[in-house]
Amino acid sequence: KQEVTQIPAALSVPEGENLVLNCSFTDSAIYNLQWFRQDPGKGLTSLLLIQSSQREQTSGRLNASLDKSSGRSTLYIAASQPGDSATYLCAVTSGSRLTFGEGTQLTVNP
Amino acid sequence: ETGVTQSPTHLIKTRGQQVTLRCSSQSGHNTVSWYQQALGQGPQFIFQYYREEENGRGNFPPRFSGLQFPNYSSELNVNALELDDSALYLCASSPDNYGYTFGSGTRLTVV
Repeated sequence: KQEVTQIPAALSVPEGENLVLNCSFTDSAIYNLQWFRQDPGKGLTSLLLIQSSQREQTSGRLNASLDKSSGRSTLYIAASQPGDSATYLCAVTSGSRLTFGEGTQLTVNP
Repeated sequence: ETGVTQSPTHLIKTRGQQVTLRCSSQSGHNTVSWYQQALGQGPQFIFQYYREEENGRGNFPPRFSGLQFPNYSSELNVNALELDDSALYLCASSPDNYGYTFGSGTRLTVV
């Protein structure tokens, strides 16, 4: 059974800081990995998708890496802004489903 | 039409009642999945449909059922509602398992 763990559960940083969110998964037989952002009470917004054959993806200030063999992914956020405050969820696709971690709640203080 | 649209946005039901939640997927997205998200937790997989056939199911009882229609819309039906069914229900669609696009969700409260 696939299990996804995200560390830390919560993170508070001052504006402008670079930060790293961590995701680990137990079964390396994944199709792809996706990072999402969720604002309180809202749906999920896809940030980055990494196929299992890829090592990283970049979009603006975001960079996600994938090390399938060790079952790890990181999401790097550069020059954080208060608007980045949200919960960040990591999910892996195996078979017909996404398996999610419980998320990292990020607060960026002005 | 772009994006995934869910209706209604909020719903209050009484224990024992039945509810139907609706989702309109992006055109061309053959795969639709439903997830349940309790407060403070990650979404949990309920089931997935591919070209109108269920092709995967999570650890949810049979009173959770679904349908997918040829026009890329789908439904989640829950019978005999229980208090623990209170959650955010999310619909997601994908063009053949290549990344998922999520709707804004339906907040269901069972009282």
